[in-house]
Amino acid sequence: GAGVSQSPSNKVTEKGKDVELRCDPISGHTALYWYRQSLGQGLEFLIYFQGNSAPDKSGLPSDRFSAERTGGSVSTLTIQRTQQEDSAVYLCASSFERNQPQHFGDGTRLSIL
Amino acid sequence: GNSVTQMEGPVTLSEEAFLTINCTYTATGYPSLFWYVQYPGEGLQLLLKATKADDKGSNKGFEATYRKETTSFHLEKGSVQVSDSAVYFCALPLETSGSRLTFGEGTQLTVNP
Repeated sequence: GAGVSQSPSNKVTEKGKDVELRCDPISGHTALYWYRQSLGQGLEFLIYFQGNSAPDKSGLPSDRFSAERTGGSVSTLTIQRTQQEDSAVYLCASSFERNQPQHFGDGTRLSIL
Repeated sequence: GNSVTQMEGPVTLSEEAFLTINCTYTATGYPSLFWYVQYPGEGLQLLLKATKADDKGSNKGFEATYRKETTSFHLEKGSVQVSDSAVYFCALPLETSGSRLTFGEGTQLTVNP
């Protein structure tokens, strides 16, 4: 497709389990971003990848969160030992280059029971 | 870092009414400013942007002018439609020369026929 693709669209899991969220950016986009959208916290930046540079992880809320981007394309956000406060919509965005407009996927709605 | 304050709402209007959603920012220098829209069940879409002072961004009948004197970027539309019902987010880069975005709290707009 032409847009940013995220999977799964919805994920329900039990507290303590690990989850992986996937983002497939727009082809040719060198920058990829993860954000989290939750009630009471609004939209928060999590992590940013630009080309082959080391990622900007400054927004990750704890060491249970990690992300990788393989081959400069697909990215996976992993949350280990999930907690109820991790429940949120996780949004991925990509841009052609840094400082260019970001295009968002539809998000993954994560619910921790 | 830079920050943004947005009128939270919710805002309820009748079709063909005039819309204003207020957004003010605090920033070092003159970063690009953005309005994003989120329709129910979807990710964020870039609505419009302005890259320098006095620029006017426009799209789909919406307008916003980058005003450095008042550090504002208010969103306006002269005649709203039911299909404009969505959540609107004002945003700018966390660092003026950076890429990662910081968002306002969002304003829920409901337009009734």
